[in-house]
Amino acid sequence: GAVVSQHPSWVICKSGTSVKIECRSLDFQATTMFWYRQFPKQSLMLMATSNEGSKATYEQGVEKDKFLINHASLTLSTLTVTSAHPEDSSFYICSAKEDHGSYNEQFFGPGTRLTVL
Amino acid sequence: AQSVTQPDIHITVSEGASLELRCNYSYGATPYLFWYVQSPGQGLQLLLKYFSGDTLVQGIKGFEAEFKRSQSSFNLRKPSVHWSDAAEYFCAGVDSNYQLIWGAGTKLIIKP
Repeated sequence: GAVVSQHPSWVICKSGTSVKIECRSLDFQATTMFWYRQFPKQSLMLMATSNEGSKATYEQGVEKDKFLINHASLTLSTLTVTSAHPEDSSFYICSAKEDHGSYNEQFFGPGTRLTVL
Repeated sequence: AQSVTQPDIHITVSEGASLELRCNYSYGATPYLFWYVQSPGQGLQLLLKYFSGDTLVQGIKGFEAEFKRSQSSFNLRKPSVHWSDAAEYFCAGVDSNYQLIWGAGTKLIIKP
């Protein structure tokens, strides 16, 4: 149980295009989902936290108009990288957990490798 | 501020030798602590976690970790490493907003 999937696993796009990444909780309802970014040989950087049915909370320095997050259902959150540029190339990882307000384990997706040419 | 520190950027161990990866945390209350492993180009897999209770925690793949409040540490150990253990290891804690705080990671290199 507690499986989180991401789609696509990798994507290559041209500069200026938009890319959508999906994160799904397959066997539980994810009231909260997190989006992370990981640069090569570095740790994970939290980009934003999204709660189902409400606007995402972005971390300082993360452009919300650049990285659009939608958490429309209890099993799906999407991250759209708008007008992507080469510096947006990175490994994007989502995670999901079930409850608000207390710590329950986050389950991680396998990640999406974005390369912007 | 709450933080998680992994002092070693990389560690090299011979196959079959024992392993200890260090993790230190700065917290006031009893922390929630985790160890994750990430293979190249892959997502994260939870090895083990500590919430409360027994300070020696057993995880998957033969790993264990010991919570030591007096040393603010949560070091990961394995008695005998295998070549397949080569990966990046992340220690993480939970902050007051119930968000994960990550250590910088330790890359484990296995010598044949």
